[in-house]
Amino acid sequence: EIVLTQSPATLSLSPGERVTLSCRASQSVRRSLAWYQQKPGQAPRLLIYDASDRATGIPARFSGSGSGTDFTLTISSLEPEDFAVYYCQQRSNWPPTWTFGQGTRVEVK
Amino acid sequence: EVQLVESGGGLIQPGGSLRLSCAASGLIVSNNYMSWVRQAPGKGLEWVSMIYRGGDTFYAGSVKGRFTISRDSSRNTLYLQMSSLRAEDTAVYYCARITDGETAFDIWGQGTMVTVSS
Repeated sequence: EIVLTQSPATLSLSPGERVTLSCRASQSVRRSLAWYQQKPGQAPRLLIYDASDRATGIPARFSGSGSGTDFTLTISSLEPEDFAVYYCQQRSNWPPTWTFGQGTRVEVK
Repeated sequence: EVQLVESGGGLIQPGGSLRLSCAASGLIVSNNYMSWVRQAPGKGLEWVSMIYRGGDTFYAGSVKGRFTISRDSSRNTLYLQMSSLRAEDTAVYYCARITDGETAFDIWGQGTMVTVSS
């Protein structure tokens, strides 16, 4: 089973700052990695799929990069609405299973 | 507008059964890859089950043999039949559409809470 490890667990930042979140896979997932944003009481929202493709309607300040085992989600300039928990997720080929990282909380400094 | 609306959650005793529903509008359930994902209180996300367009189904090890995913084309609804429920099944259950590339969940419902407790 592939394990996803996100770091750091919590980031304390101010609006306008650049954010870099990390997700490391225990073995290669090629580019089958997605990122989600979740706010309290809400369902997750897909931000990035296939490592670097932005989902429909996602602002350009969100970008994803990486392949193999190391991936990054970058927010170029934090907006007030970006304070949330972010999860990475991968799909294993066979049997098909989907696993999530434990999440990174981005909080107001 | 595409929308997924879950229902059927509630308080259930350990060992009991419950069926969750996910009514879809703006998309055809049987033409898509559909899934259930859950989130225990204060915890992260856990994939539970999925059903392919062709009807093949897959489950997380934690629920295999206890949960069954299905769909009703006439009602355009996805289901999750849960049995032999345990305290650790307590969670918000989301239905979600899987992208055609099978790599991500792009449409989510608002979730329904299941509490397993005596």
